[in-house]
Amino acid sequence: DQQVKQNSPSLSVQEGRISILNCDYTNSMFDYFLWYKKYPAEGPTFLISISSIKDKNEDGRFTVFLNKSAKHLSLHIVPSQPGDSAVYFCLTGNQFYFGTGTSLTVIP
Amino acid sequence: DSGVTQTPKHLITATGQRVTLRCSPRSGDLSVYWYQQSLDQGLQFLIQYYNGEERAKGNILERFSAQQFPDLHSELNLSSLELGDSALYFCASSVGEREGLADTQYFGPGTRLTVL
Repeated sequence: DQQVKQNSPSLSVQEGRISILNCDYTNSMFDYFLWYKKYPAEGPTFLISISSIKDKNEDGRFTVFLNKSAKHLSLHIVPSQPGDSAVYFCLTGNQFYFGTGTSLTVIP
Repeated sequence: DSGVTQTPKHLITATGQRVTLRCSPRSGDLSVYWYQQSLDQGLQFLIQYYNGEERAKGNILERFSAQQFPDLHSELNLSSLELGDSALYFCASSVGEREGLADTQYFGPGTRLTVL
C-alpha cells in the first residue's frame, strides 16, 4: 500500500534548464511535506519543505508547489546543475512515508 | 555533515545473530527516527523516539526494538537476523518539540547491514 508515489523513476535534464520532480499522496490528512536529495550510500539531505497552509515555498533554486485538491506536490529546480544529479525523495511530515524516489541526471 | 552520527558504518553478520546500531542526534534535537532502506521496499519508517519515550511506530518487525537513552542517543536492536534484513539503516533527528507539529528531519550517513 504505497501512500506516496513518485511516478517517474528517472529524469534527464540539460544543464541550465528546469527540473520538475513530482510526488502524489493518498491521504488528504497529510499536511507537511519535505524533499530530500540522496547520493548512493549516503543519508538523505534535506532540501525544502512545505506546509499545507501554503501552496508554494521557495529557497534559492528550489521551489516546491503543493496542490492539496489533487494531492500532488512538485519540486522545481531552476537552473539545473550537474551537481544536482542524485535521487530525490518526498517525505510526508505526518506518519513519515517516503516516496519511491526519482533519479535526476543533469547533463552538462 | 548533518550533525547526526551513526556507528558502525558497516556490519556483516550471520543469520540468527543479533546486532545493535547506534545513533547520536544533532545537538539540541530531542527526537530520533529510524528508517530502513532495502532494494525492494525503498525507505521505510521504523520507529520514532522523543526524549526517551516512543512516539510513533511504523513498519518495525517484532524482532527489532529500539530505545533512546537519557543522553538522547538511540540504539536499534535487530535480533534473529534473516537474509532479508540486509539493508541500509538510517537514523534521523529533529527538534520534535510538539507531537504532530511540522518538523525537519536531518539524516545520518547510515549503517549498512549485511546478513550472510
